Amino acid sequence: DSGVTQTPKHLITATGQRVTLRCSPRSGDLSVYWYQQSLDQGLQFLIQYYNGEERAKGNILERFSAQQFPDLHSELNLSSLELGDSALYFCASSFHGAGSTDTQYFGPGTRLTVL
Amino acid sequence: TQLLEQSPQFLSIQEGENLTVYCNSSSVFSSLQWYRQEPGEGPVLLVTVVTGGEVKKLKRLTFQFGDARKDSSLHITAAQPGDTGLYLCAGAMDSNYQLIWGAGTKLIIKP
Repeated sequence: DSGVTQTPKHLITATGQRVTLRCSPRSGDLSVYWYQQSLDQGLQFLIQYYNGEERAKGNILERFSAQQFPDLHSELNLSSLELGDSALYFCASSFHGAGSTDTQYFGPGTRLTVL
Repeated sequence: TQLLEQSPQFLSIQEGENLTVYCNSSSVFSSLQWYRQEPGEGPVLLVTVVTGGEVKKLKRLTFQFGDARKDSSLHITAAQPGDTGLYLCAGAMDSNYQLIWGAGTKLIIKP
């Protein structure tokens, strides 16, 4: 158990819909990262927050948005969903939020299926 | 453009064999991490290497960071079915906060 929690574990929805994925970081961690992983692929970095502020942005679509709240939990909002958005979405947390030797702890993921 | 290239993409071998997987780049990294991901779970950090030429051992796993800090390898001795998983490398650059991820090597160890 990494200490990072993600809800829901599974989500099935239809094209055009909007969903919200939730992540609670490990106690004491200030930084949250969101990743997308399609079938049998590596991780695609979406976005990072540190102590409530956006720190880095990766290949995140304009239809996707995220935020980190004062209690440090984070939400990833996916809208106008398309079939290609079906994937595993992982949240990770770390203490420093800086890459060099910072360890990212991953949650169990949310499996999104868009029908 | 993939900054970190992992090879092979897929490897299936018998229990007891040795194997090496590679993580290569033309860029210099301040550190490099290796993660293992099992089906249905998130990646778990195995090791972080920070010094060029550094070698770290974790039981039957040996990790090496290249002298120029552009590449890394993971060698597994006497592979076991429990080693099965997706092995991901991720590099950190001083100029960026985010890790650069490789696409992974999918390893299957057959009993």
